[in-house]
Amino acid sequence: GQNIDQPTEMTATEGAIVQINCTYQTSGFNGLFWYQQHAGEAPTFLSYNVLDGLEEKGRFSSFLSRSKGYSYLLLKELQMKDSASYLCASSTNAGKSTFGDGTTLTVKP
Amino acid sequence: NAGVTQTPKFRVLKTGQSMTLLCAQDMNHEYMYWYRQDPGMGLRLIHYSVGEGTTAKGEVPDGYNVSRLKKQNFLLGLESAAPSQTSVYFCASSDSSEGDTQYFGPGTRLTVL
Repeated sequence: GQNIDQPTEMTATEGAIVQINCTYQTSGFNGLFWYQQHAGEAPTFLSYNVLDGLEEKGRFSSFLSRSKGYSYLLLKELQMKDSASYLCASSTNAGKSTFGDGTTLTVKP
Repeated sequence: NAGVTQTPKFRVLKTGQSMTLLCAQDMNHEYMYWYRQDPGMGLRLIHYSVGEGTTAKGEVPDGYNVSRLKKQNFLLGLESAAPSQTSVYFCASSDSSEGDTQYFGPGTRLTVL
């Protein structure tokens, strides 16, 4: 079966760092995606981790531990435009992804 | 490239009516997906396709049918709409050559009265 857990809401201050955690239990696990979704818009790709460790891409980094079924998305130097929902999704060898319910991040001045 | 497009963008139906949502992609992707997203919730997979002429059930397939007659198109049908099908529907496509990263269409906002 597939199960994805992530916090429902988080709040942070502009310029700060925030970490959004995600735990998963996925049969046939292949990799872990993070997507960003602004209100009223479609999700857009942020990162994809297949191997254990941290991958950095500008202000955003994503970490994966396959043995622990755990991932996090790290956002640095937060900007107001980073206010959005962040979706964690586990993918399987069949090309399917199971999405979590998303974490709504609110960035305050 | 237009990417993934969806038609229509908005629709209001009465209970019992039928309709078809069209998804088109111009990236030559093998995989295509239909999701629904309800307020405050994540994406739930309705049906998906791993290639032209093939379809498979996802997490919440009841009340929906799909067809993939052409590689670039994936149709989602509602035979007899119900208020519980009021939702935002997203289509996506992906390819194994890109690590199965999914590219999403803009969404269709469907209301069933």
